[in-house]
Amino acid sequence: DTQMTQSPSSLSASVGDRVTITCRASQSISSHLNWYQQKPGKAPKLLIYRASTLQSGVPSRFSGSGYGTDFTLTITSLQPEDFATYYCQHSYDTPRTFGQGTKVEIK
Amino acid sequence: QVQLQESGPGLVKSSGTLSLTCAVSGGSISSSNWWSWVRQPPGRRLEWIGEIYHIGSTNYNPSLKSRVTISLDKSKNQFSLNLTSVTAADTAVYYCARVDEGATRFEDWGQGTLVTVSS
Repeated sequence: DTQMTQSPSSLSASVGDRVTITCRASQSISSHLNWYQQKPGKAPKLLIYRASTLQSGVPSRFSGSGYGTDFTLTITSLQPEDFATYYCQHSYDTPRTFGQGTKVEIK
Repeated sequence: QVQLQESGPGLVKSSGTLSLTCAVSGGSISSSNWWSWVRQPPGRRLEWIGEIYHIGSTNYNPSLKSRVTISLDKSKNQFSLNLTSVTAADTAVYYCARVDEGATRFEDWGQGTLVTVSS
C-alpha cells in the first residue's frame, strides 16, 4: 500500500496568514493526489484534484502543487471559514489511502 | 450536484453484519461513475473501504476484502455495503461517495452515519 504522511499534524494561524501543508507519498504517485477539507461533524469536501486542479466552486486562495512523492496545499490569506482539518488522498492505485490530516486552528 | 444519503442501523452487535444503504438523488447510479464507501473511526484518518462501477465491477481494500461486499440496486437508485464479522474496530462514521469515472477523486459525499459495534 502507498502510505500518505502529512506535516504538520496541526498548526495555529491567524486570519490573513499564508498556510502551507505538505503531503508525502511512500512511493511515486505521479500527480494522482487530491486534497479535501473536513469540518467537525461534516463530510469531507473536495478542494483540489490531480495535485493542482481546483474543484469547481472552491475559492482561488486554495492551490496545490507537486509531483511524484511530494505535494503541497497552500492557502493564501486564511479566512475564518478555512479553519478545518485537511486531508490528502492518492488515487494512483488501490487501496486508495489518506493522510492522517492537518488541523488548522485559530491562533 | 448529486446528493447521497446513508441509512442503516446505528448499532451492530459484535460478530454480526453491518449493512448500510446509500440512496442517490439528482443523478443516476447507472451513469459512468464509481460509487464508494469510506469510513472514519473516531479521531482517526479516513479509510477507503471499496468501490463499485455502474456495470458492477468492484475494488475492495485488501485489509477488509474478506468481509466486504458492495452492491448496486439500480431499480432503487442506491448502492449498499455489507461488512461481516464486525468488531469494535469497525466502529466509525461511514460515508458513501460518488467517484468520477476515472476513479480518481471523491466528488460528492453523503453526510455520514455513525455505526457503533457493541459487545
